Amino acid sequence: AQRVTQPEKLLSVFKGAPVELKCNYSYSGSPELFWYVQYSRQRLQLLLRHISRESIKGFTADLNKGETSFHLKKPFAQEEDSAMYYCALSGRDSGTYKYIFGTGTRLKVLA
Amino acid sequence: KAGVTQTPRYLIKTRGQQVTLSCSPISGHRSVSWYQQTPGQGLQFLFEYFSETQRNKGNFPGRFSGRQFSNSRSEMNVSTLELGDSALYLCASSFDNQGATEAFFGQGTRLTVV
Repeated sequence: AQRVTQPEKLLSVFKGAPVELKCNYSYSGSPELFWYVQYSRQRLQLLLRHISRESIKGFTADLNKGETSFHLKKPFAQEEDSAMYYCALSGRDSGTYKYIFGTGTRLKVLA
Repeated sequence: KAGVTQTPRYLIKTRGQQVTLSCSPISGHRSVSWYQQTPGQGLQFLFEYFSETQRNKGNFPGRFSGRQFSNSRSEMNVSTLELGDSALYLCASSFDNQGATEAFFGQGTRLTVV
């Protein structure tokens, strides 16, 4: 079954420390992977997608097909990075594409 | 262009009642998905509509239903409300849920069941 797992519900780091939000997926084909972010009192929005291989707000994510992971990383955390982060997968299942979200990780960056 | 609009923003209902939530997608987007967001469960997929047809469905009971109109606007209905239905309900639209398509979210409807 298709699944996205984010093992940490809460991750606290100090400002300037490296950040890694973990995401593992289960999918039999070649999925598209995304990271979405929800800042306080704002709507959920796309942060980055693996197909673009981009760095947004200093965040990067590499798709590791061997480990079926798509961890989100940033070398130096900022207080404004505090938010809820969701890893998502889009893949074909029974003829249609489905979007599957993980349960989310709340990142708290401490001053 | 205008973003995804959800109405109402807040609702308080009593157990046993029913409720209808509305979602207006971004102009030109034909795919509309609904999610339930709770602190403990994160984002749970309810269903997805495309061109007035339900294309995907999550694992929610039949009390949760939806529909999509010809202008792509969508409604979600919950009947016989239970306390556990209290959550933030999010709607997301995309041009088409095919592959690497970004989903645009509304601000949600906060439903409280008392």
